[in-house]
Amino acid sequence: DIVMTQSPDSLAVSLGERATINCKSSQSVLYTSNNKSYLAWYQQKPGQPPKLLIYWASIRESGVPDRFSGSGSGTDFTLTISRLQAEDVAVYYCQQCYIAPFTFGPGTKVDIE
Amino acid sequence: EVQLLESGGNLVQPGGSLRLSCVASGFTFTKYAMSWVRQAPGKGLECVSVITTGGTNTYYTDSVKGRFTISRDNSKNTLYLQMNNLRAEDTAVYYCARPKWSGELVGDLDSWGQGTLVTVSS
Repeated sequence: DIVMTQSPDSLAVSLGERATINCKSSQSVLYTSNNKSYLAWYQQKPGQPPKLLIYWASIRESGVPDRFSGSGSGTDFTLTISRLQAEDVAVYYCQQCYIAPFTFGPGTKVDIE
Repeated sequence: EVQLLESGGNLVQPGGSLRLSCVASGFTFTKYAMSWVRQAPGKGLECVSVITTGGTNTYYTDSVKGRFTISRDNSKNTLYLQMNNLRAEDTAVYYCARPKWSGELVGDLDSWGQGTLVTVSS
């Protein structure tokens, strides 16, 4: 199985400031035939199922605020929250969608400083 | 509206068995691969198993291989997870999830049930 890692484990950011989360896969999740990296990002708040934020590494899901952005290709990816809002407090997970089972990273907890 | 309704979670002794069900509605079930994802208390997400649209191909995380079986009944719009020889470390909320796109095998999960709790304890 592809192993996913994330850093940091947690971070605290002031309201309105930038939060950056990194994700690495143990092998490339780039599908060369279409040049898409099969990497998704999810947000999970307490007591709720996860919510899909980003797919194909950088495409924002419909309805997701544009302060959320994804970047990267191959094995290294980043989720950026450009101006942290109070409602963004959550745990964020990356997931490779390249080879089943579609493994998740361990998660990054984002709090307000 | 897409709806996924899990059931079957319960308290079970180590070594016991349970079958989880997930009834799907609001979309053409036969066109979507489906996944079971679990979350142990206070822990992260783990993709337990994936099944292709017709049920021909199945995939499992290493820790459940040989103990869990994913299946689907497309005539009943229902996904199953048969769990045998349960261990304490299988204690978790089990979510049924559907990907964003139809297709044989897709992982980006945009629809989730509310989950069903499995507790393995003596």
